[in-house]
Amino acid sequence: QVQLQESGPGLVKPSGTLSLSCAVSDDSISSDNWWSWVRQSPAKGLEWIGEIHHSGSANYNPSLRSRVTISVDKSKNQFSLNLKSVTAADTAVYFCTANGYYSLEYWGQGILVTVSS
Amino acid sequence: QSALTQPASVSGSPGQSITISCTGSSSDVGSNNLVSWYQQFPGKAPKLMIYEGTKRPSGISNRFSGSKSGNTASLTISGLRAEDEADYYCCSYARGSTFYVFATGTRVTVL
Repeated sequence: QVQLQESGPGLVKPSGTLSLSCAVSDDSISSDNWWSWVRQSPAKGLEWIGEIHHSGSANYNPSLRSRVTISVDKSKNQFSLNLKSVTAADTAVYFCTANGYYSLEYWGQGILVTVSS
Repeated sequence: QSALTQPASVSGSPGQSITISCTGSSSDVGSNNLVSWYQQFPGKAPKLMIYEGTKRPSGISNRFSGSKSGNTASLTISGLRAEDEADYYCCSYARGSTFYVFATGTRVTVL
């Protein structure tokens, strides 16, 4: 089954940009699949951020759309998340997932990102 | 604030059956059968237990079952075991709008 591993800085300054990557193994990022980012915080619970297809087509949570970009790097078999203008409210554990049938089938272990100066 | 509502906690004794409800509206849960359910242990990633309302992924015990009536989806755990003690989340899918929306989750306690 597909394996997912998040990576990136664990600390981001307020007003900065949060950038994470998700390495995909045991599957190709170019398979006919969608790939998502989800975050979890005590305040907001689980929150879907957005998804991307290897074609480059992406969908975003309307509440975050103005600040989020998700992209694919086929050469590295990974996809990435950029969230700009972060505040303390963006502090959360961020998960990457491989989508299933209208569901989030496989999950990475998650990475804690703290927004603080 | 989530548009989907779950009870904060549900408990049961070993061997019993429990049901977790997930109440939405005619624009999400009631509009299709695309609810998924996730199990999460502390410090771990969620795990898909049910998709498309009633289907189990490979490897998921048949003690877990999903159903829906109107605007409410439900997850039933039969033959409750100590290892089922975890948080459970429902998630509704609606393409073209909010896509995936999670409920606030239910803590299941095995007495």
